[in-house]
Amino acid sequence: GQNIDQPTEMTATEGAIVQINCTYQTSGFNGLFWYQQHAGEAPTFLSYNVLDGLEEKGRFSSFLSRSKGYSYLLLKELQMKDSASYLCAVRDSNYQLIWGAGTKLIIKP
Amino acid sequence: DTGVSQDPRHKITKRGQNVTFRCDPISEHNRLYWYRQTLGQGPEFLTYFQNEAQLEKSRLLSDRFSAERPKGSFSTLEIQRTEQGDSAMYLCASSTGTGDQETQYFGPGTRLLVL
Repeated sequence: GQNIDQPTEMTATEGAIVQINCTYQTSGFNGLFWYQQHAGEAPTFLSYNVLDGLEEKGRFSSFLSRSKGYSYLLLKELQMKDSASYLCAVRDSNYQLIWGAGTKLIIKP
Repeated sequence: DTGVSQDPRHKITKRGQNVTFRCDPISEHNRLYWYRQTLGQGPEFLTYFQNEAQLEKSRLLSDRFSAERPKGSFSTLEIQRTEQGDSAMYLCASSTGTGDQETQYFGPGTRLLVL
């Protein structure tokens, strides 16, 4: 079967750095996406990785290791508005997105 | 606003009634996806269209669900004889369907409550 694992919830302090991990087992791999979702709102696209390594985009970075079936999203200089759920999704061999359940990130002052 | 739009944003209905949701994708996007999401879970794939053709439908989707995209632009999702278990957020997303970095952009969703 196909499986995406993320921690259910994480807590971090404003101004700090947090790393949200995602491991996956899918039938084929055609890229990994990270989305942010605020409560009651739709997911918004954050990043895309298809090759191994780190992709940096402002305060957010995403890393991929295809051999390990592993990715992480790194958030720096945390702000209160970063409190949200972060969804990891893998595009499988059929080019369909397989979604994790999301990691709820709580930012404390 | 040139993003994905959905209508209505909220719907409350009684069990057994039929409901229909509409999605207007980003205009140049030829792929359109429907998902269902419940609290604390990621989106669950329902179906998707390439232009007007419905290319895939989830095996988990019951016969009470049907979707159309008659002219390859907007799409509708109908749920017949609603059940309380249908209560969820229904999300629509669109993409260009080309290139490796085919990113899906989501609409605001329709929140359905079945009483």
